[in-house]
Amino acid sequence: AQSVTQPDIHITVSEGASLELRCNYSYGATPYLFWYVQSPGQGLQLLLKYFSGDTLVQGIKGFEAEFKRSQSSFNLRKPSVHWSDAAEYFCAVFYYGGATNKLIFGTGTLLAVQP
Amino acid sequence: DTGVSQDPRHKITKRGQNVTFRCDPISEHNRLYWYRQTLGQGPEFLTYFQNEAQLEKSRLLSDRFSAERPKGSFSTLEIQRTEQGDSAMYLCASSSGTGSAYEQYFGPGTRLTVT
Repeated sequence: AQSVTQPDIHITVSEGASLELRCNYSYGATPYLFWYVQSPGQGLQLLLKYFSGDTLVQGIKGFEAEFKRSQSSFNLRKPSVHWSDAAEYFCAVFYYGGATNKLIFGTGTLLAVQP
Repeated sequence: DTGVSQDPRHKITKRGQNVTFRCDPISEHNRLYWYRQTLGQGPEFLTYFQNEAQLEKSRLLSDRFSAERPKGSFSTLEIQRTEQGDSAMYLCASSSGTGSAYEQYFGPGTRLTVT
């Protein structure tokens, strides 16, 4: 079955420190993978996506993610975290086939940034 | 491009009442999705439209839920005889049918509270 696992429910980092949020997926075919960010009470904003090609993808706000097929992972990274990065982050895989066409999300990682 | 809009942003209703939410997708997008997000969880797929055709419905969408997309433009999600378990954020997303068809853009959501 298709699924996405985000093992870390909550992460706290200091401002200026590096960040890595983990994401593992289960999908039978070539995955289309996404990271979204959600600020409190808001909708989801697309940070970056992987469809094919270069396994290191760049996104907005200085984020990047690396697709590793052998590990079924798509971890999100940022070299230096800013206080405004505090939010909840969701990894998702696009599940498609026939009439099926939807995103399957992980449970999210809540990021807190210490001054 | 004005983005995906949803109305209302917040709705408080009493158990047993009917509620209706509206979603206006990005104008050139022919695919529209509804998701539900409860506290501490990632969004869960409810239903998907391509133009005016509803192509997929999740098992989460009980008989009390109905969604429409007349003329392939805006969409409405109606919940009849609301229950406390319906309290959640209802998110709408849209995507184009070509190019980056897998990228879904989300609206700000409608927060439903059933008392």
